[in-house]
Amino acid sequence: KNQVEQSPQSLIILEGKNCTLQCNYTVSPFSNLRWYKQDTGRGPVSLTIMTFSENTKSNGRYTATLDADTKQSSLHITASQLSDSASYICVVSPISNFGNEKLTFGTGTRLTIIP
Amino acid sequence: NAGVTQTPKFQVLKTGQSMTLQCAQDMNHEYMSWYRQDPGMGLRLIHYSVGAGITDQGEVPNGYNVSRSTTEDFPLRLLSAAPSQTSVYFCASSYSWAGETQYFGPGTRLLVL
Repeated sequence: KNQVEQSPQSLIILEGKNCTLQCNYTVSPFSNLRWYKQDTGRGPVSLTIMTFSENTKSNGRYTATLDADTKQSSLHITASQLSDSASYICVVSPISNFGNEKLTFGTGTRLTIIP
Repeated sequence: NAGVTQTPKFQVLKTGQSMTLQCAQDMNHEYMSWYRQDPGMGLRLIHYSVGAGITDQGEVPNGYNVSRSTTEDFPLRLLSAAPSQTSVYFCASSYSWAGETQYFGPGTRLLVL
């Protein structure tokens, strides 16, 4: 069964510090890997999408990396802000045919930034 | 653009009642889907649609019906609510399927007593 595992489950850091969230997956072959940010009580918002051939992608202070050989991805947040407090969800999309939806969602890492 | 909108925001049902969760998008997206989010679990796909008139089942379709008569709207119907359907429901849309950013609605929190 395709799986996406994220670590840590939760993380607390001081405002201004950097942090890295991890995502390990077993989906193979895969088409793309996505990172979403979900604020409490809101829907997920896309941060990055990487295809299997990309190693890194940035969106402001968020940088995602991908190692397709080891099936690992990380999301690095630089100079954290209070607004970064949220859950971060890793999603892997397999190669699929038209009409076949098989996205696999991780359970997320809950990040709390404290002043 | 309003993006993806969902109504209601919160609903309480009694076991056996039926209801419809509304979802609409104004981005002319072909692809729409419904997910449920439960504590300790990743989002799970209920039903999806690749265009008006075309729907298909996802991972957890039992107890839910959908239809897609227009590009904009994708309602989710609970036929006979059960406590196991207590969850937060998200509607999402994207321009197409492969490799496209999905835009999620704000969610509907459903409590079935």
